[in-house]
Amino acid sequence: AQTVTQSQPEMSVQEAETVTLSCTYDTSESDYYLFWYKQPPSRQMILVIRQEAYKQQNATENRFSVNFQKAAKSFSLKISDSQLGDAAMYFCAYRSGVSNFGNEKLTFGTGTRLTIIP
Amino acid sequence: ETGVTQSPTHLIKTRGQQVTLRCSSQSGHNTVSWYQQALGQGPQFIFQYYREEENGRGNFPPRFSGLQFPNYSSELNVNALELDDSALYLCASSLRLGTSRPYEQYFGPGTRLTVT
Repeated sequence: AQTVTQSQPEMSVQEAETVTLSCTYDTSESDYYLFWYKQPPSRQMILVIRQEAYKQQNATENRFSVNFQKAAKSFSLKISDSQLGDAAMYFCAYRSGVSNFGNEKLTFGTGTRLTIIP
Repeated sequence: ETGVTQSPTHLIKTRGQQVTLRCSSQSGHNTVSWYQQALGQGPQFIFQYYREEENGRGNFPPRFSGLQFPNYSSELNVNALELDDSALYLCASSLRLGTSRPYEQYFGPGTRLTVT
């Protein structure tokens, strides 16, 4: 079974600064996807960024980028130029890449609460 | 494009009662997944529905059951409620095209269930 670990329950960053959230995972599969989701107080889970395991290039979405280290099974999220609207719970998630019915579930970590200091 | 919607927003039930939660998938999506998120935890996969059939289930007892309708909306039913069932229940929809790679799951705002 796959597991996802987020070892930082809480992080804080000064507005406009850069912060990195950590995530490690364990799997025996070679084909999978990794995601970062953001959950603000409104509770809605919002997809921030995704990474396909077969791609060596790290994914980037505007101010959000990842550092994907497949051998180390590490998947960190870097937020640049932090904004007040970035304050939320951030969840790292894993999904198998095999399109086999029943394998499409997301496995989440326990989350990191990010606070932005004005 | 209409996003994923869930109803009700929150509700309170008594231990032993039954509850039904509803989810309307995003326009064009044919697959619905349900997750339970306990306070301070990440979401846990309950089950997934595709073509009105359950395919894939997490570690949840049979008193958690569901339905998917021809319009791809879905219900989550929980019988014999227990105090530990108190949680945020999230629905996510996605598009599956045959055996192609699955697409991202898009989440609704959730239903907060409190069992007393």
